[in-house]
Amino acid sequence: QKEVEQNSGPLSVPEGAIASLNCTYSDRGSQSFFWYRQYSGKSPELIMSIYSNGDKEDGRFTAQLNKASQYVSLLIRDSQPSDSATYLCAVNDLLGNEKLTFGTGTRLTIIP
Amino acid sequence: KAGVTQTPRYLIKTRGQQVTLSCSPISGHRSVSWYQQTPGQGLQFLFEYFSETQRNKGNFPGRFSGRQFSNSRSEMNVSTLELGDSALYLCASSGEPGPHSYNEQFFGPGTRLTVL
Repeated sequence: QKEVEQNSGPLSVPEGAIASLNCTYSDRGSQSFFWYRQYSGKSPELIMSIYSNGDKEDGRFTAQLNKASQYVSLLIRDSQPSDSATYLCAVNDLLGNEKLTFGTGTRLTIIP
Repeated sequence: KAGVTQTPRYLIKTRGQQVTLSCSPISGHRSVSWYQQTPGQGLQFLFEYFSETQRNKGNFPGRFSGRQFSNSRSEMNVSTLELGDSALYLCASSGEPGPHSYNEQFFGPGTRLTVL
């Protein structure tokens, strides 16, 4: 049973601070990793994808991947109240395989 | 480009009935995946279609089925509805993988199904 684990939170972060979201996965053969943001009552929105060890930055978001430790994280710099949402980590085990395994999500609240 | 569209957005059915949900992928995307989201189980993969063929299937009973048409639009069907089938059903599409965009899936707004 392939698993993706996330701390369910809630995680509260002051506005302007860095929010750090973590995810671990059980399948060492996992190939691609994604972070989705889901606002209450809405569908998931892809915000980051990462495939290689190291960091990938996009605006205020940085995804970090460590395949040896089976760990992927998302950093949100200069957190804004609009970042308050549930963040879902998703893992794909094979290139070309569209089946994503999702974590249960971390609820993030940015405190003004 | 227009995003993934799903119809209907809301649906109320009673136990024992069947339901068909529709999904139109992003133009040019040939892969369509379906997921079920519930508060208790989270997001779970149902199945994936590519070029009218089911390529992957999750661990759901045979009451859940799907198909894909030549224009990549997809439908999923749930027969003999149970109370536990109440959920948000999400469709996601993905295009051809590129050097930096393997398997990126983009979700539609979902269909909220309530079974009474």
